[in-house]
Formats: sequence, C-alpha cells, structure tokens
Amino acid sequence: KNEVEQSPQNLTAQEGEFITINCSYSVGISALHWLQQHPGGGIVSLFMLSSGKKKHGRLIATINIQEKHSSLHITASHPRDSAVYICAVRLNYGGATNKLIFGTGTLLAVQP
Amino acid sequence: NAGVTQTPKFRILKIGQSMTLQCTQDMNHNYMYWYRQDPGMGLKLIYYSVGAGITDKGEVPNGYNVSRSTTEDFPLRLELAAPSQTSVYFCASSWGYGYTFGSGTRLTVV
Repeated sequence: KNEVEQSPQNLTAQEGEFITINCSYSVGISALHWLQQHPGGGIVSLFMLSSGKKKHGRLIATINIQEKHSSLHITASHPRDSAVYICAVRLNYGGATNKLIFGTGTLLAVQP
Repeated sequence: NAGVTQTPKFRILKIGQSMTLQCTQDMNHNYMYWYRQDPGMGLKLIYYSVGAGITDKGEVPNGYNVSRSTTEDFPLRLELAAPSQTSVYFCASSWGYGYTFGSGTRLTVV
C-alpha cells in the first residue's frame, strides 16, 4: 500500500464546476505539498501546508493532521486548470534531508 | 531568477551509451534532488544532496551517479543506459520546507 494515496485518479469536469481532489497519507508528516504538472510540462508548487487552510486565487488547500487527510479545491474551474495534481508529504522523521514522498497524481480534465 | 534549470529537455539514447543530465539552481539552496517519474507511479528519489560535497542514495539509485562540487550544480550521470531508464527526470532544490522543480528531461533509451 502506498504511503500517499490520492483520489480520484482521473477526473473530468465541466467548466465552472467546483472540484475536489483528495490526499490521504499513512505516515507522520511535517508538511504536505500540492503540485501541478501540465501535460509534458514541469512541476509547479501550488501550496505547502502544515496545518489549517490556504487560499490562492481559485485554489484552496486544507489539511487535517489528525485524520491524515488533505484536500485541494478548485472553484469555478476553467480548461486551463487541466493538469495532473500531485500530493507529496515531508516525513516528520525526514531529518535534515527534506525528502518528499509522492502520490501518483490526479489527472484533471476541464471541458469547455 | 531562473530557479532550477535542467538540460537537455529531450534525449534519445542507445542501450549502453552514457550521458549526463545537467541541473543548475541560482537560489543558493543547500538541498538538491533527482527524481524520476514513470507512468502511473509517484516520483521516485534517485539521489539527493544536502550540500556541496555531500550526496546520498535515494530509493532507486542503481544505474546512476551524481556529484555536487558546487552549491549550484547537481549533475546526474547514466553510465550504461538501459531501457528501464526510459523516464522523465526532474531535478529539484529546497530550502526550509519549500521546493522548486526543474522543467524535466524526457529520456528514451532504445
């Protein structure tokens, strides 16, 4: 079983819909990252969370440390949001290395 | 600021050939990493470095080597390319908890 699980694996939405992507993890963490990867493109960091909630434009990320769960929400989705969204966690016993463990990603397609 | 720069973006290698994937960062980050991304899998750590002159193996180091002679540069060397090394390779750097990724190198071994 992967230490970081994302759901759904694939998601198709209509433009304007509210989207939620979930991430569950089974290890103790000190931080969680949400990353975005456009097809054939590089990886961009969207959020880093250690508690609570963060908002940037139409994107909202939340984390519940007790339940070991995080969600990424996209409000008023747009075709340009189509990408792979990746959850990654920093172990709280990672020491000085700052290594991450990655989920397999959620492929989002927003249709006009 | 350029961030993390990877070259080349694409490369096709023949089995047994060697090559070096270049990675440079201009943010003075101590930590640098090489990951590979295979279809349907999460990124896997190949090698990492916590500072100039210090490197260590990650989860999947076999077939690769690295060096870190300066804070800025962290090249990844493939000595004898094998089809199993066909993948997309990402270099990243970090300071504190923040991460910056390069744009990736798509490598095909035929």
